[in-house]
Amino acid sequence: GNSVTQMEGPVTLSEEAFLTINCTYTATGYPSLFWYVQYPGEGLQLLLKATKADDKGSNKGFEATYRKETTSFHLEKGSVQVSDSAVYFCALRSNQAGTALIFGKGTTLSVSS
Amino acid sequence: DAGVTQSPTHLIKTRGQHVTLRCSPISGHKSVSWYQQVLGQGPQFIFQYYEKEERGRGNFPDRFSARQFPNYSSELNVNALLLGDSALYLCASSLGVTALNQPQHFGDGTRLSIL
Repeated sequence: GNSVTQMEGPVTLSEEAFLTINCTYTATGYPSLFWYVQYPGEGLQLLLKATKADDKGSNKGFEATYRKETTSFHLEKGSVQVSDSAVYFCALRSNQAGTALIFGKGTTLSVSS
Repeated sequence: DAGVTQSPTHLIKTRGQHVTLRCSPISGHKSVSWYQQVLGQGPQFIFQYYEKEERGRGNFPDRFSARQFPNYSSELNVNALLLGDSALYLCASSLGVTALNQPQHFGDGTRLSIL
């Protein structure tokens, strides 16, 4: 079945460090891929998305490229800020499963000044 | 414009009781989905409704049910509550049900605690 695997957290970084959060997926067909962010006590916010192979999603300095050959969608940011501290979820939505999102377990990012 | 709104924000129940959670989608959105997020895990899909009809169901027992009203708001009902039902329940809305690239917009959730 369809699934998403994220790197285990927590990830602890100093301000201005480079961030990578790995995400790989298993899916039939051609899914759309998403990164969502969840701040403490809040719901999920869409961070970025990519709908086909080689697409690059970007927002607020974050980027992720849809790599079909490696079934990956790794999240990167060149210089993190304290305000980026949150839980990050990789997710897919497959045509086979309608529009339900399938999420990874989440990766907690903690950035210190 | 208002985002997805959920009520109540917090709820405490005891085992065996039932609960009703409510969701109002973004204006113009006709599809509502429900997710359960257990602490430390990613959200798990429960239901999707579009135009008042169930369009998808996740792997949850029959104790879970939902409906959508003519104004596109939705209720999630859970009967015979178990300790394992303690979670954050998230509602998400989107314009329609078929387009893969339509993003789902989430509310802040209802935190349900079962004692």
